[in-house]
Amino acid sequence: DGGITQSPKYLFRKEGQNVTLSCEQNLNHDAMYWYRQDPGQGLRLIYYSQIVNDFQKGDIAEGYSVSREKKESFPLTVTSAQKNPTAFYLCASSVSTGIGYTFGSGTRLTVV
Amino acid sequence: GQQVMQIPQYQHVQEGEDFTTYCNSSTTLSNIQWYKQRPGGHPVFLIQLVKSGEVKKQKRLTFQFGEAKKNSSLHITATQTTDVGTYFCAGFGSARQLTFGSGTQLTVLP
Repeated sequence: DGGITQSPKYLFRKEGQNVTLSCEQNLNHDAMYWYRQDPGQGLRLIYYSQIVNDFQKGDIAEGYSVSREKKESFPLTVTSAQKNPTAFYLCASSVSTGIGYTFGSGTRLTVV
Repeated sequence: GQQVMQIPQYQHVQEGEDFTTYCNSSTTLSNIQWYKQRPGGHPVFLIQLVKSGEVKKQKRLTFQFGEAKKNSSLHITATQTTDVGTYFCAGFGSARQLTFGSGTQLTVLP
């Protein structure tokens, strides 16, 4: 079955450490996205990529980095510069920008 | 920048009652999308509206896109316990990004 796989589901890290969240899709979608969701709130865009080897900052990119070396993969690194990294991180993909998104099951990151 | 407001933030209904959530954008949209997120889950795409004044139905769910393409609504007729979750609208506009509303959390009491 086609879909998006995010791993791990739960992640715990100590403050000051960088951590990389994995996102893989086999839908052959060109566009991929990373969103952050805080409790009781909507989704805020961190980074997005419309094609391989190209990506753009979203509304809250500070403290995060991404890469898009393969069409299927769009990993997100949460750096120590991110002030409040504890959140639910969602990866999504779509055929093209602005068309209905398919979301992964998310990674809950807790920084202690 | 583009902002999408959604109301109400919370809604509790008795099973069998109707439910409506409203979405308003600060700018004209190319399309508006609706997603449902079950408790503990991830958003799932429900529908996309593109045309001014468009109305689409999915069983008990009715989606509308305003004439000015700046507002939208989702109406659920005769709610069931399976409708529980948070409903998000998301607008795609000139910024070429999908901006999500803050969601309406629906609780259905049996």
